[in-house]
Amino acid sequence: NAGVTQTPKFQVLKTGQSMTLQCAQDMNHEYMSWYRQDPGMGLRLIHYSVGAGITDQGEVPNGYNVSRSTTEDFPLRLLSAAPSQTSVYFCASSYLPGATNEKLFFGSGTQLSVL
Amino acid sequence: AQKITQTQPGMFVQEKEAVTLDCTYDTSDPSYGLFWYKQPSSGEMIFLIYQGSYDQQNATEGRYSLNFQKARKSANLVISASQLGDSAMYFCAMEDDMRFGAGTRLTVKP
Repeated sequence: NAGVTQTPKFQVLKTGQSMTLQCAQDMNHEYMSWYRQDPGMGLRLIHYSVGAGITDQGEVPNGYNVSRSTTEDFPLRLLSAAPSQTSVYFCASSYLPGATNEKLFFGSGTQLSVL
Repeated sequence: AQKITQTQPGMFVQEKEAVTLDCTYDTSDPSYGLFWYKQPSSGEMIFLIYQGSYDQQNATEGRYSLNFQKARKSANLVISASQLGDSAMYFCAMEDDMRFGAGTRLTVKP
C-alpha cells in the first residue's frame, strides 16, 4: 500500500511565487491534515479536513489555502510564498477524526525553501 | 485550545539504560488520548504508543511504556534498554485536536 503520498519532496521558491503541495492517501481516511515543522517548535497544524468538502483552520493557517474535493486528495496551496514559510511540511491522515486511538499516518514530508 | 508541553529540548542516555521523556498536557475534557511519535534523522514520523484517559493501565509497547499520571496531567514516555537506533526526535500529541509538543531530541551514547 502506498499510504500517504506527498509531492514534491524538495522545492525552492522565490518570494511571491505560488505553488501547491500535493497529498494523496489510499486508505479511505476521512481525516487529513497539514503540518509544518520548524526547529524547536514541533509540528504545528496548518489546516485540516474531516471529510470531502469540509476544511478548517489549525494553529497557523495564514498564507495557506486548502480544499478537499475528494476523500483521497488534500492539496496545500501557498498563494504568495514568503521566507517565513521555509519549513518542512507534512501531510497526515487518519480513519476517523476524534475517535479513540486513531493514530496519524504521515507522508514523507516536503522540504520547502523560500528565497 | 488544548496545550501540550515537552520541556526537555534534548536528552542523553547511555546505551542499555532507561530514559524518561516528559510530556504534560492541559485539557478540560474528561475523555482524551495521547500519542507518542518518533522521528529519526531520516525524517519520517513513526507512531510509538497511545494512552487513553480511561485506560485502566499504563500503555506498553515492547520497550516503550507510558508513565501516565492523570492527576498531574502528565504522560511521560519511558524507553527501556536504550539502543543506538533510539536516537531521534520524540513528540507527544493530543488526540482530540492532533496538536503536538515541541519535541525532545534523544541521543543514545554507546
